[in-house]
Parts: sequence; C-alpha cells; structure tokens
Amino acid sequence: EAGVAQSPRYKIIEKRQSVAFWCNPISGHATLYWYQQILGQGPKLLIQFQNNGVVDDSQLPKDRFSAERLKGVDSTLKIQPAKLEDSAVYLCASSQGLSVNEQFFGPGTRLTVL
Amino acid sequence: KQEVTQIPAALSVPEGENLVLNCSFTDSAIYNLQWFRQDPGKGLTSLLLIQSSQREQTSGRLNASLDKSSGRSTLYIAASQPGDSATYLCAVARTSGSRLTFGEGTQLTVNP
Repeated sequence: EAGVAQSPRYKIIEKRQSVAFWCNPISGHATLYWYQQILGQGPKLLIQFQNNGVVDDSQLPKDRFSAERLKGVDSTLKIQPAKLEDSAVYLCASSQGLSVNEQFFGPGTRLTVL
Repeated sequence: KQEVTQIPAALSVPEGENLVLNCSFTDSAIYNLQWFRQDPGKGLTSLLLIQSSQREQTSGRLNASLDKSSGRSTLYIAASQPGDSATYLCAVARTSGSRLTFGEGTQLTVNP
C-alpha cells in the first residue's frame, strides 16, 4: 500500500513570495491533516479535512495560509505572502476516517524563507 | 488547553541498554495516544497507538504504557540498537479523528 505522498520535498523562497504544497493521502483515507513543524518542536495542526469539508482550521493563519481539498482526495496548502517565521516542515497526514484515528504521515516539505 | 511534555529532551545510551522515554499530558480526557519516530529530514513513522481504554501496547522490542488518570505514558525500548537513533514523539487526540497534540520529542542516540 502506497503511503502519503508530498511534493515538493524542499522549497526555498524569499519573504513575500507565494508557495504551494501538494499532498496525496493514502487511497481510501477520508481524513486529511496539514501540520506545521518548526525546528525543535512537535508538529502543530494547521487544518483538517473530512472528505472535502473543513473540520478544524482554528490554528490556520487565514490572512496568509489557505488550503483546499477538491474532490476529497488530493490537497494543496498555499502561503501568500510568506514570512520568515513560516520556515518549517509542512507535514501531511491521513487517516481512514473520524472513527479511526491512527494517522499516517508523509515525508514532509521543508520550506526555507529567506 | 492540552499540553504534552516529553522528558528527557535528549538521551544518549550505549548499544544494548534498555531505556524508557516519558510523556505526560495535562488533560486526561483523551481518546488515544500515539508514539512516533522521526528520522532526520524525514516524516513521522507511527510506532504504537494506545486507545484510552488500554493500558499498554507492544510491537517487537517496543512497549508503550498508558496511565490516563495520571496523564502519563512511557515508551520502553528493549536491547537498544544504533538503528533506534531518532527523535521519538508522543501525541494525544482528544476525540476520535481530532487533531493530534504533540510533545517536543526526545532525541535518542544509541552508541555502538
């Protein structure tokens, strides 16, 4: 069974530029999560989707971050404009659904904002 | 607000030693607890998941225990190997399907 796929793996941009990350969850997984992991810290949830609906985006900086999950499969996370403090690893995770909570993570995208 | 703490932040042991990693959480109303491993530059690999009704889970040389009432979990690694070197993270979920709240991790180094 293929795992969670993410791209790109690495991205370097300058502040005020925009960037987008892509995630393809495990086939059949209805729930998709985006986490931000700053160096030396544990991951923190940005947004959670159940199929193509948002379940939790309470910690998403909505003035600059946006995410979508069209057709309830792939998801894209966008930052516009980026700030220095957005430098982090962006992790995508998926689970079978709200009743099965084991989350499986992708390799992450490491973002550096200069 | 749930807070998860992991002690120690870093641990260095000789190969073959048995070791214990600690995780504590402030709100005992959890649905489950998950232990992960993270290698440098990589994503998270799920090691063990313990439901709130369970006391422990085992996988190979790993054993995780949960004491929900006291807000504590431990990850026991038997006969450690250099390949076990990684950062170990614990995370709790408040309800089924909800976000995971993570600790900051324990960085483990096993020396040959």
